[in-house]
Amino acid sequence: GENVEQHPSTLSVQEGDSAVIKCTYSDSASNYFPWYKQELGKRPQLIIDIRSNVGEKKDQRIAVTLNKTAKHFSLHITETQPEDSAVYFCAASYRTGNQFYFGTGTSLTVIP
Amino acid sequence: NAGVTQTPKFRVLKTGQSMTLLCAQDMNHEYMYWYRQDPGMGLRLIHYSVGEGTTAKGEVPDGYNVSRLKKQNFLLGLESAAPSQTSVYFCASSYSPAGGVYNEQFFGPGTRLTVL
Repeated sequence: GENVEQHPSTLSVQEGDSAVIKCTYSDSASNYFPWYKQELGKRPQLIIDIRSNVGEKKDQRIAVTLNKTAKHFSLHITETQPEDSAVYFCAASYRTGNQFYFGTGTSLTVIP
Repeated sequence: NAGVTQTPKFRVLKTGQSMTLLCAQDMNHEYMYWYRQDPGMGLRLIHYSVGEGTTAKGEVPDGYNVSRLKKQNFLLGLESAAPSQTSVYFCASSYSPAGGVYNEQFFGPGTRLTVL
């Protein structure tokens, strides 16, 4: 099956700085890459996703980039705010797949 | 709409006891999933279902059983609980499969299970 690796496991940034979280995947058949945010004690929620026919996608302060050749994708958060503090998970799935393969998560702390 | 709900929210078991976790969704989703979340391990898929009456194994199915008798409900059973099953369990549902178009997974609030 697919193997998704995520780095770093923890990340601390000053408020207003940018944060970048990176994931790699092993199977070139994967074509969909969502990012989930999980605040402390809450459920994971989808914040942005990208499909393999697109190289970059933005939504206000967050963006995701995909490099199919290198099999990696990244989450970029600009102008970070304390409410961005959470655990972020990347995932991958196949076109014909029934399941997501999740990374191990990145705990982001934004220091006011 | 309540979305995805889970009962119970917390549970403490002794080794060898059994229990069932209930997941319910009111979004008419075909696909339902059970995950466990452990520190540093991310979300690991236990079992999933692609429709009423169907179930399939995920990444870590040992020690768990599931049933999907009704489309809106997905039950996770532990027949003989072990300390290694101490975890937070999340249920999720989606309209399409993971590779489909409407594939966003909506998660329940989680169940924190401790096995002594």
